[in-house]
Amino acid sequence: NAGVTQTPKFRILKIGQSMTLQCAQDMNHNYMYWYRQDPGMGLKLIYYSVGAGITDKGEVPNGYNVSRSTTEDFPLRLELAAPSQTSVYFCASSPELRLTEAFFGQGTRLTVV
Amino acid sequence: AQSVTQLDSQVPVFEEAPVELRCNYSSSVSVYLFWYVQYPNQGLQLLLKYLSGSTLVKGINGFEAEFNKSQTSFHLRKPSVHISDTAEYFCAVSDRDDYKLSFGAGTTVTVRA
Repeated sequence: NAGVTQTPKFRILKIGQSMTLQCAQDMNHNYMYWYRQDPGMGLKLIYYSVGAGITDKGEVPNGYNVSRSTTEDFPLRLELAAPSQTSVYFCASSPELRLTEAFFGQGTRLTVV
Repeated sequence: AQSVTQLDSQVPVFEEAPVELRCNYSSSVSVYLFWYVQYPNQGLQLLLKYLSGSTLVKGINGFEAEFNKSQTSFHLRKPSVHISDTAEYFCAVSDRDDYKLSFGAGTTVTVRA
């Protein structure tokens, strides 16, 4: 019963470095999402995907890129890490067009120094 | 997109006392409503959801919420809290014709003995 799996759980990056946050789901969900969580701000949508090969920007996409080559995987790429990207990142998936429930991963805590 | 307001950022409460967490959203169009809970250092777990039907929704761990369309509110309640209810609680809203969730800023509940 894996659900949504995110790796790594923790990471420290230096300014200017790049990295990819991995997200995989085994529920055959078409809809996948990346959120960032900052204290007192709730969760903000970075990017989302409605199926393999289709992605779109959310509220806060600057500094990030995504791809969706398979239904299962939805990696988030940071090209030039900045301190403002220090956050907790959550990946989620949903089975339906009308979002009746989203399933979340455990999160990746990223610190940029 | 919806705007979601959680009126209390911090709620301290004594064990076995009742608690109410308030949530208002911006639009009166047809919506789906959710409450998620995040325990320390964990991902988000669905507490309950309103999709249609009865405006009083019961969830896990003894929580319930009431949907009030005229007041665009979805307040969460529990009649008697436990120490283990210490967590952050997020209200989330989705328009029925959309597939993105908008989150409130969260309410931190601290239960004391």
